[in-house]
Amino acid sequence: QKEVEQDPGPLSVPEGAIVSLNCTYSNSAFQYFMWYRQYSRKGPELLMYTYSSGNKEDGRFTAQVDKSSKYISLFIRDSQPSDSATYLCAMSAGANSKLTFGKGITLSVRP
Amino acid sequence: GAVVSQHPSWVICKSGTSVKIECRSLDFQATTMFWYRQFPKQSLMLMATSNEGSKATYEQGVEKDKFLINHASLTLSTLTVTSAHPEDSSFYICSHSGRAYNEQFFGPGTRLTVL
Repeated sequence: QKEVEQDPGPLSVPEGAIVSLNCTYSNSAFQYFMWYRQYSRKGPELLMYTYSSGNKEDGRFTAQVDKSSKYISLFIRDSQPSDSATYLCAMSAGANSKLTFGKGITLSVRP
Repeated sequence: GAVVSQHPSWVICKSGTSVKIECRSLDFQATTMFWYRQFPKQSLMLMATSNEGSKATYEQGVEKDKFLINHASLTLSTLTVTSAHPEDSSFYICSHSGRAYNEQFFGPGTRLTVL
């Protein structure tokens, strides 16, 4: 079993839809959870950085962490064509620990 | 977020040659930089952690004699792929940490194709 599992998709939604992206993990030591957005042929861009369980909101993006279920989510409200990208989840056990990434899911938002 | 540049953005080389990739931190003095490799439709895999002024720490399975890393200053780390082969063709991405080791800012990546 991989440490971090992420449905590779692809996922296609109409503009304005609410998007839900998810990752599961097996390592209970993970305490920090991140979401990165990666446009084609570009490096990942940090979207959300959270610690432990709970919700964090930033504009149209909400990150949720459920450590009891080892499940994290990223919600995108009012999705836009510019949100079309690959979204990767990443996790680490500590602030000074290396990141473990999911495979990424490719999202396409249709105008 | 921090600004990280990489050069070149893409490179094509013949099998057996060496290729150097530069990673620059443009607005941050990066004590620690990271090198990742990403194959198509795969996740980013950490290759090595590069510390300024000291030897890099390589992940298990990464050949340190093949992937030479130099971090001579707080703004520059280089990755040299020596005697490249077609199986080394990949997307190489560097990053540096921000306030925390795990808060990383990535460069735009370098696509290496070995013929």
